[in-house]
Amino acid sequence: AQSVTQPDIHITVSEGASLELRCNYSYGATPYLFWYVQSPGQGLQLLLKYFSGDTLVQGIKGFEAEFKRSQSSFNLRKPSVHWSDAAEYFCAVAEGGKLIFGQGTELSVKP
Amino acid sequence: GAVVSQHPSRVICKSGTSVKIECRSLDFQATTMFWYRQFPKQSLMLMATSNEGSKATYEQGVEKDKFLINHASLTLSTLTVTSAHPEDSSFYICSARGIGGFDTQYFGPGTRLTVL
Repeated sequence: AQSVTQPDIHITVSEGASLELRCNYSYGATPYLFWYVQSPGQGLQLLLKYFSGDTLVQGIKGFEAEFKRSQSSFNLRKPSVHWSDAAEYFCAVAEGGKLIFGQGTELSVKP
Repeated sequence: GAVVSQHPSRVICKSGTSVKIECRSLDFQATTMFWYRQFPKQSLMLMATSNEGSKATYEQGVEKDKFLINHASLTLSTLTVTSAHPEDSSFYICSARGIGGFDTQYFGPGTRLTVL
């Protein structure tokens, strides 16, 4: 079975600083990978996804992620964090039509 | 974007009672709906997958007689927690997927269930 690991449970960054959230997956073939954001009172929102092709994918809200097969990673990045980015972020991999989620990383943004 | 609603957003019940949670896709037809359970500071764990008009497929370890899922129409799925116990207290999230696959999968805001 596939799995997803997010090594960082909680990250705090200063507003305006860059951000990188880590995600590692285990899968034999090319995986379908996703990043979602969960804000209180709202449903998970898809930030971006990777199915194939260009390994650097652009998403909404200024986020991007890079698929690195050699490292089995799909890290999420943002060059300049805004206070409104504070939320829970989930990496996910598709398996048999279902989404398998990582443990999540809580992002706090300090002024 | 598409919207998925859940009702209620929060429910408190006594042990032994049953609770029904509704999940609706508001502006698209959901061929498949998923129910997840999320514990505090933890991941979303898939409980079951349901297709409209078919019986739900439950993940290993999920009691199908305890967590009844009905997907009666292309816009509505319900999760009934029967004879709820305190250990069933959790955050339940539904997700609806349209014919476009993962590109058309949207999540509800969740339902906080507390069993006293």
